[in-house]
Amino acid sequence: KAGVTQTPRYLIKTRGQQVTLSCSPISGHRSVSWYQQTPGQGLQFLFEYFSETQRNKGNFPGRFSGRQFSNSRSEMNVSTLELGDSALYLCASTPGQGTGELFFGEGSRLTVL
Amino acid sequence: DQQVKQNSPSLSVQEGRISILNCDYTNSMFDYFLWYKKYPAEGPTFLISISSIKDKNEDGRFTVFLNKSAKHLSLHIVPSQPGDSAVYFCAASAMGRRALTFGSGTRLQVQP
Repeated sequence: KAGVTQTPRYLIKTRGQQVTLSCSPISGHRSVSWYQQTPGQGLQFLFEYFSETQRNKGNFPGRFSGRQFSNSRSEMNVSTLELGDSALYLCASTPGQGTGELFFGEGSRLTVL
Repeated sequence: DQQVKQNSPSLSVQEGRISILNCDYTNSMFDYFLWYKKYPAEGPTFLISISSIKDKNEDGRFTVFLNKSAKHLSLHIVPSQPGDSAVYFCAASAMGRRALTFGSGTRLQVQP
């Protein structure tokens, strides 16, 4: 069974640009979550989608947004990039509702210059 | 405000001995706790979890203990193996929400 796939794995942007990251969950998983990992802040929850609806949202500015498609694939977008947005962005999927372990992808490493 | 804290940034143990990783939390609403392992350039991998209705959960070499009154949990790895060398994250969630709050991680090094 294929794991969580994130693309691109690495990307470099400049301040003010916007970026879109993609995540394909494990087949059959309907919930997709996004996390930001930085050396200073650790792993922080961005948002979670289930059945194309945002169910939970972390404490990030509105520049961070996401969506989920009918096939459960998800994208997140960051607009007007800032230097502090440089991070590893991790996507995780889980089968459905309720508490359970998340299955993480390898992440997309974003560098903002 | 860090709701989940891992106060030891690093831990070194000898192969075959016990590794004990600790985690404290402040939010009384947390009712589900997980441990993840992370190797460089990889996403976190789920290890073991525990619900607040239990005080212990065991899976092979890994055991998680939960002390609700102290708001403390620990991960025991026995025996430790060099392949266990990684960063270990403690995480918690509340009321069935799939939003995890992570600790800052503990880097475990198991010496051969």
